[in-house]
Amino acid sequence: AQRVTQPEKLLSVFKGAPVELKCNYSYSGSPELFWYVQYSRQRLQLLLRHISRESIKGFTADLNKGETSFHLKKPFAQEEDSAMYYCAPPGRGSTLGRLYFGRGTQLTVWP
Amino acid sequence: NAGVTQTPKFRVLKTGQSMTLLCAQDMNHEYMYWYRQDPGMGLRLIHYSVGEGTTAKGEVPDGYNVSRLKKQNFLLGLESAAPSQTSVYFCASSYTGPPDTQYFGPGTRLTVL
Repeated sequence: AQRVTQPEKLLSVFKGAPVELKCNYSYSGSPELFWYVQYSRQRLQLLLRHISRESIKGFTADLNKGETSFHLKKPFAQEEDSAMYYCAPPGRGSTLGRLYFGRGTQLTVWP
Repeated sequence: NAGVTQTPKFRVLKTGQSMTLLCAQDMNHEYMYWYRQDPGMGLRLIHYSVGEGTTAKGEVPDGYNVSRLKKQNFLLGLESAAPSQTSVYFCASSYTGPPDTQYFGPGTRLTVL
């Protein structure tokens, strides 16, 4: 089965500092990867996807096939970025049609 | 559009009791999912459905059953609740499978005593 690793359960930074949330996946090829976010008392929602190469709320994520990573980055963190972040690659083969969510990283941005 | 709704929002059960969680979506989505969210474990897929009348097992299907009799509804049943099923349950839907966006419901907090 596909595996995704988010090595940091908790991550704290000060406002204005750069932030990087790590995500590593287990399979080769060019997966379509996603980052989902859950703000306090809100629903889980899509933050960004690899294929669209967009920047949402100042966040970007670059797919590094050599390192099989899809780290989420923002140059200047804001307090409103405090949330739980999930990396999610899709299934393949018999598990096509579903996403595999990582265990999540809780980001806290201090004022 | 209401999007994805879940009923109930909260529930407390005693061990051995049964219950059904209802997920409804009004976006004409084909795919629907049930996840559970536990501290330190992230989101784990319980069951999912790729269309009306279909269901498939996810990562943690034991102790749960599902039904998709209508396209807009996806029911999650616990036949005999156990304390290990204490969790927050999220439903999601998408028009197709990945890379299509999944839209999540607000969650159901279930406590099994």
